[in-house]
Amino acid sequence: AQTVTQSQPEMSVQEAETVTLSCTYDTSESDYYLFWYKQPPSRQMILVIRQEAYKQQNATENRFSVNFQKAAKSFSLKISDSQLGDAAMYFCAFQTGTYKYIFGTGTRLKVLA
Amino acid sequence: DADVTQTPRNRITKTGKRIMLECSQTKGHDRMYWYRQDPGLGLRLIYYSFDVKDINKGEISDGYSVSRQAQAKFSLSLESAIPNQTALYFCATSDQPGQGLHYNEQFFGPGTRLTVL
Repeated sequence: AQTVTQSQPEMSVQEAETVTLSCTYDTSESDYYLFWYKQPPSRQMILVIRQEAYKQQNATENRFSVNFQKAAKSFSLKISDSQLGDAAMYFCAFQTGTYKYIFGTGTRLKVLA
Repeated sequence: DADVTQTPRNRITKTGKRIMLECSQTKGHDRMYWYRQDPGLGLRLIYYSFDVKDINKGEISDGYSVSRQAQAKFSLSLESAIPNQTALYFCATSDQPGQGLHYNEQFFGPGTRLTVL
């Protein structure tokens, strides 16, 4: 079975500091996609970043970057220069050719002023 | 205007009642999904539809049914609501494979908070 594990239910970071959220997954597929979604208090699910498994280069989007380790099946999200608006629940998600997503259980990020 | 809308945004109902959650999209996507979110469990797939005539069960379909009235509309029904169906429900859409660079991205509605007493 394909699974996604987020082992950190909650994390805290000081404003302007850097934080890394971890995600591991399990699959026998070789071609797949990985995503990080942000869910602020508004409940809206917002795509933060995506990574194609066939790409070795780690994806980056402004202050957000990933560390994709395919052999270790690890996909962590690094948030640099954390801002108060980054406070949210973050979900890691995995998708294969069926185009269904499998989500992790989420990590709640608190940003301390 | 939002690309994916859900109605109602919040609903409180009683055990045994029938309730329908509606989803509409203006993105022109063929694929639509219903998820439920529970604390500590993430999002789990209830049903998905790849076109109007193609509807499939997800991992937790028991107690739910769906209707794809048109490409743009996908409704979720709870025939007889029970308290453990209290959750946050999301509708999502995605494009067909090969339709653009990010065809695999799912676009979510704002969610419906359902409470079953």
